[in-house]
Amino acid sequence: RKEVEQDPGPFNVPEGATVAFNCTYSNSASQSFFWYRQDCRKEPKLLMSVYSSGNEDGRFTAQLNRASQYISLLIRDSKLSDSATYLCVVIHNAGNMLTFGGGTRLMVKP
Amino acid sequence: NAGVTQTPKFRVLKTGQSMTLLCAQDMNHEYMYWYRQDPGMGLRLIHYSVGEGTTAKGEVPDGYNVSRLKKQNFLLGLESAAPSQTSVYFCASSWGRIEAFFGQGTRLTVV
Repeated sequence: RKEVEQDPGPFNVPEGATVAFNCTYSNSASQSFFWYRQDCRKEPKLLMSVYSSGNEDGRFTAQLNRASQYISLLIRDSKLSDSATYLCVVIHNAGNMLTFGGGTRLMVKP
Repeated sequence: NAGVTQTPKFRVLKTGQSMTLLCAQDMNHEYMYWYRQDPGMGLRLIHYSVGEGTTAKGEVPDGYNVSRLKKQNFLLGLESAAPSQTSVYFCASSWGRIEAFFGQGTRLTVV
């Protein structure tokens, strides 16, 4: 079993739709969680950190569920420009290796 | 403000050849990482470093070596390239459990 798992998608949604991705992690000692965005043939870039209490940044909301060991990303009012691959990243308490999920591909259609 | 710079950006190698990928960061980060990304596989950690003079193995270290002689540089070496090492290689740096910054990637093809 992979340490960090994501549904690879693709998720095909119309503009304006709300879409949610989940990411599960296996190491209960994981302490830090992030969502990164990666455009085709580009480097990953930080989208948002995920805090225990949940956090929101504009149309994006991230949640953490430690009991079930998953994090989620909700995108409201999807834009064409949201089309990308979304990567879940987990950092363990021991050491500071960033462990990536395989990514979820989102395609927003007109 | 360069951030993280990788050289080269593209390379074609013949099987058995060797090469070194250079990663340089100007943010004074302690942590540096080398990942490879293959279709459908996400990013997999090859080696990482938690400070100058230190290196450690990641998830897929076989066939690669690394060195961190200077804090700002992290080198990834392929001693004898194999077609299975055809991939996109990303370097990243960070202060630790916060945002990591990535280079633009090196597209390597081994024929």
